[in-house]
Amino acid sequence: DIVMTQSPDSLAVSLGERATINCKSSQSVLVSSNNKNYLAWYQQRPGQPPKLLIYWASTRESGVPDRFSGSGSGTDFTLTISSLQAEDVAVYYCQQYYSTHYTFGQGTKLEIK
Amino acid sequence: EVQLVESGGGLVQPGGSLRLSCTASGFTFSTYEMNWVRQAPGKGLEWISYIRSSGSTVYYADSVKGRFTISRDNAKNSVYLQMNSLRAEDTAVYYCVRGGESGSYSACWGQGTLVTVSS
Repeated sequence: DIVMTQSPDSLAVSLGERATINCKSSQSVLVSSNNKNYLAWYQQRPGQPPKLLIYWASTRESGVPDRFSGSGSGTDFTLTISSLQAEDVAVYYCQQYYSTHYTFGQGTKLEIK
Repeated sequence: EVQLVESGGGLVQPGGSLRLSCTASGFTFSTYEMNWVRQAPGKGLEWISYIRSSGSTVYYADSVKGRFTISRDNAKNSVYLQMNSLRAEDTAVYYCVRGGESGSYSACWGQGTLVTVSS
């Protein structure tokens, strides 16, 4: 199985500041024939199911604020929140859907400093 | 509005069985891939099973392969997870998840149903 490793495990950022979460896959999730990275990001607020934020590594889901952005290719990816809001307190997960076993990262807990 | 409603969770003894159901609405169910993802208390997300829109192809995580069976009934807009030989480590919230419009990302999630395996 492809192993997804996120860093850091937890992060505290001041309101209005930038938050950056990293995700590394144990093998490339880039399909060269279509130049797409099979990588998604999710947000899980306390007591809620996860919510899709980003797919194809950088495509924002409809309705997701533009302060959320995804970048990276191959094995290294980043989720960036440009200006942290109080409602962004959550656990964030990356997931690969390149292989037939759709593995998740362990999660990164984002808090307000 | 897309809705996924899971049911069938509850308390079961080790070695027992349980069948989870997920009823979908708000989209053309027969055209989407479906998955089950679980989350143990206080832990992260674990993908456990996938089924193609037609039901012709299924995949399982190694942790449940041989014990769990995913199926669907497109006429009833429903997907199921038959869970046998349950273990304490299967205790989790089980989410029904719909695939995306353009790929196999997890686009829509149900609220989840709690399965507790304990004597």
